[in-house]
Amino acid sequence: DTAVSQTPKYLVTQMGNDKSIKCEQNLGHDTMYWYKQDSKKFLKIMFSYNNKELIINETVPNRFSPKSPDKAHLNLHINSLELGDSAVYFCASSERGGLSNQPQHFGDGTRLSIL
Amino acid sequence: AQTVTQSQPEMSVQEAETVTLSCTYDTSESDYYLFWYKQPPSRQMILVIRQEAYKQQNATENRFSVNFQKAAKSFSLKISDSQLGDAAMYFCAYRSANSGYALNFGKGTSLLVTP
Repeated sequence: DTAVSQTPKYLVTQMGNDKSIKCEQNLGHDTMYWYKQDSKKFLKIMFSYNNKELIINETVPNRFSPKSPDKAHLNLHINSLELGDSAVYFCASSERGGLSNQPQHFGDGTRLSIL
Repeated sequence: AQTVTQSQPEMSVQEAETVTLSCTYDTSESDYYLFWYKQPPSRQMILVIRQEAYKQQNATENRFSVNFQKAAKSFSLKISDSQLGDAAMYFCAYRSANSGYALNFGKGTSLLVTP
């Protein structure tokens, strides 16, 4: 009964390729997020969606595009992958933002390695 | 933007002893929420404890407790009776309406537990 599931867990690909990471949550949450964890373990928000609507878009290259087909899914598409995109990407979800003491539930992360 | 600072990149504690991890933050908001997350080598993000800024009472969860000093903007985590399984990266995080309810993380503290 995985609450937030990401696929794949590992992704190894070559520079210049286009790839997607999928995320699904079965918690009935309204808000979903993508975070990036770099090689120094620093976690930073990339995007946030509330009921399929984009509410946060941090300074992220246009090559990254989130897509939310419904409120249970938030996929991350990355075009023209670069070496600097190598990182662990975490999907998370939470109840609607107004209840901000509610914790975010994280997926297990996707380790993206660019060759 | 809110800044979260964890000044201890690494800490070490002996099994059964107590350790305190420090966290300070910078904000002009009065309504916000603070969290400690644990990330073991498995890279899962696990919620340890949370604190609402409007509550004066410090949160506790079994062996984990916080010392929340709102005026000093300090939010330290105390782990009592440390266990080998406590070894992990610990992240302090801040969340508020102005951050779009996304988590703003510190750089983390790596905790080593020795037998």
